[in-house]
Amino acid sequence: EAGVVQSPRYKIIEKKQPVAFWCNPISGHNTLYWYRQNLGQGPELLIRYENEEAVDDSQLPKDRFSAERLKGVDSTLKIQPAELGDSAVYLCASSPTSRPGTQFFGPGTRLTVL
Amino acid sequence: DQQVKQNSPSLSVQEGRISILNCDYTNSMFDYFLWYKKYPAEGPTFLISISSIKDKNEDGRFTVFLNKSAKHLSLHIVPSQPGDSAVYFCAASNFGNEKLTFGTGTRLTIIP
Repeated sequence: EAGVVQSPRYKIIEKKQPVAFWCNPISGHNTLYWYRQNLGQGPELLIRYENEEAVDDSQLPKDRFSAERLKGVDSTLKIQPAELGDSAVYLCASSPTSRPGTQFFGPGTRLTVL
Repeated sequence: DQQVKQNSPSLSVQEGRISILNCDYTNSMFDYFLWYKKYPAEGPTFLISISSIKDKNEDGRFTVFLNKSAKHLSLHIVPSQPGDSAVYFCAASNFGNEKLTFGTGTRLTIIP
């Protein structure tokens, strides 16, 4: 069974540029999460989807971040414009249920903003 | 406000010995705790969990202990193996809220 797929794996951009990350969850997983992991920190939830509905986006900086999960399958996270402080690893996870401990994480996208 | 704390950024243990990783939390509403393991360039993978109604949970070489009064949990790995070298994250949630709050991680190095 294929795991959570994320692309790109690495991205380097200059500040004020836009950037987008893509995630394809495990087939059949209705719940999808986007996390941000800063250097030396644990992952922090940005947004959680149940199918195509964003059920928790309280930690998403909505002035520059946006996300979508059309058709309830794959998802895109966008930053526009990027700032230096956005440099981090962006992790996508999916789960068949909403229970803790059932999340499967992708390898992440490492973003560097210069 | 760091609600889940892992005060040891790193730990080195001889192969075959016991590894003990510690985690403290401040939010008394947390009632479910998890440990994740992360290798470089990979996402975290679920390792073991414990509910607040228990004080111990075992899975093979891995045991998690929970001390609710002290708001402290620990992960014991015995015997430690070279493949256990990774970063370990403690995480917590409360019933009815699936959001996980992660600690900052402990890098475990197993010395052959």
